[in-house]
Amino acid sequence: SQQGEEDPQALSIQEGENATMNCSYKTSINNLQWYRQNSGRGLVHLILIRSNEREKHSGRLRVTLDTSKKSSSLLITASRAADTASYFCATVDPSGYSTLTFGKGTMLLVSP
Amino acid sequence: KAGVTQTPRYLIKTRGQQVTLSCSPISGHRSVSWYQQTPGQGLQFLFEYFSETQRNKGNFPGRFSGRQFSNSRSEMNVSTLELGDSALYLCASSSSEGVRGFFGPGTRLTVL
Repeated sequence: SQQGEEDPQALSIQEGENATMNCSYKTSINNLQWYRQNSGRGLVHLILIRSNEREKHSGRLRVTLDTSKKSSSLLITASRAADTASYFCATVDPSGYSTLTFGKGTMLLVSP
Repeated sequence: KAGVTQTPRYLIKTRGQQVTLSCSPISGHRSVSWYQQTPGQGLQFLFEYFSETQRNKGNFPGRFSGRQFSNSRSEMNVSTLELGDSALYLCASSSSEGVRGFFGPGTRLTVL
């Protein structure tokens, strides 16, 4: 069953603009991760944020986590056409396993 | 290090047949997880193996099974294939609990 729900389902922007995607989840987590998927291929890990962290940066990516609201956001700054992909959030519960529970994803289209 | 490899990349089967998919994790990774991705249900967790033991299982029928070998390579088997089993099957490996997953390119299974 899906843990997270991404919002929006689809996002279309111009190169150079910022893209913000949101994710909500339902249960306690150990960490939350964001992945990117290009056109039905494998998933590429973007960033991991632990439950005791509130914000994390990696290059043009900024992730926030609000455990009280059970939500996270992914901000991609200065988007490029190459950022066009589907983005998924995935949670890991506190059990200690590596199981990822995915949301339905946001399809991002960045136009030149 | 070489990434996660999955074989075969594409498969076409007919209803009622069975299929075996293979996943070789990154060297040194002991955890292997399998996921099914379909347009309707999104990314769903199948099972996770750690040191040859299944330690977590998703909500799939018994037709879906898997195993892990002493070299951490994993196989999943689907028996009595149904049309709804058509999907991208993704394998992920990780080095320890709760950390990021490294995904393979997936096996695209089509059931006719």
